[in-house]
Amino acid sequence: QKEVEQDPGPLSVPEGAIVSLNCTYSNSAFQYFMWYRQYSRKGPELLMYTYSSGNKEDGRFTAQVDKSSKYISLFIRDSQPSDSATYLCASGGVASKIIFGSGTRLSIRP
Amino acid sequence: DAGITQSPRHKVTETGTPVTLRCHQTENHRYMYWYRQDPGHGLRLIHYSYGVKDTDKGEVSDGYSVSRSKTEDFLLTLESATSSQTSVYFCAISEGRGSYEQYFGPGTRLTVT
Repeated sequence: QKEVEQDPGPLSVPEGAIVSLNCTYSNSAFQYFMWYRQYSRKGPELLMYTYSSGNKEDGRFTAQVDKSSKYISLFIRDSQPSDSATYLCASGGVASKIIFGSGTRLSIRP
Repeated sequence: DAGITQSPRHKVTETGTPVTLRCHQTENHRYMYWYRQDPGHGLRLIHYSYGVKDTDKGEVSDGYSVSRSKTEDFLLTLESATSSQTSVYFCAISEGRGSYEQYFGPGTRLTVT
């Protein structure tokens, strides 16, 4: 079992829809939870991170962590075609290496 | 790409040849990483460095070696390239030991024939 599991998609939604991207993790020691966005043929870029449980909001993006169920979510409101990319979740413990999910490919249809 | 360059950006090489990929940063970050990205596997850590001449293995280090003689440069060497090492290689940097905020380079697409 991979330490961080992510549905590869692809996921296709119409412009303006709310997008929900999800991951699960298995290591109870993980404290940091990140979402990276990767455009085609580019390097990943850090989108958001949270420490421990709870929600974090940044504009149209909300990251949510539920440590009791080991579930990580990213919500995108009012999705735009420019949001079309692969989204990678990642987790790690304090002073430990990050483990990445395999990524979910998202397409926003105009 | 946060002051990180990788060279070459594309390379085709033959099985059995040595290959060296270079990562150069202008951010003066202490930590540098090499990842490979393959379909269905996501990003997997090959090696990382926590200072000049200080390196450690990641989860997929077999067949790879690294060196860091200057803060700004981190080299990845495939000692004898195999077809299973065909991949996209990303360098990343971070400031601190927590390493959750990593900045990635543009990647090197390597094909081993």
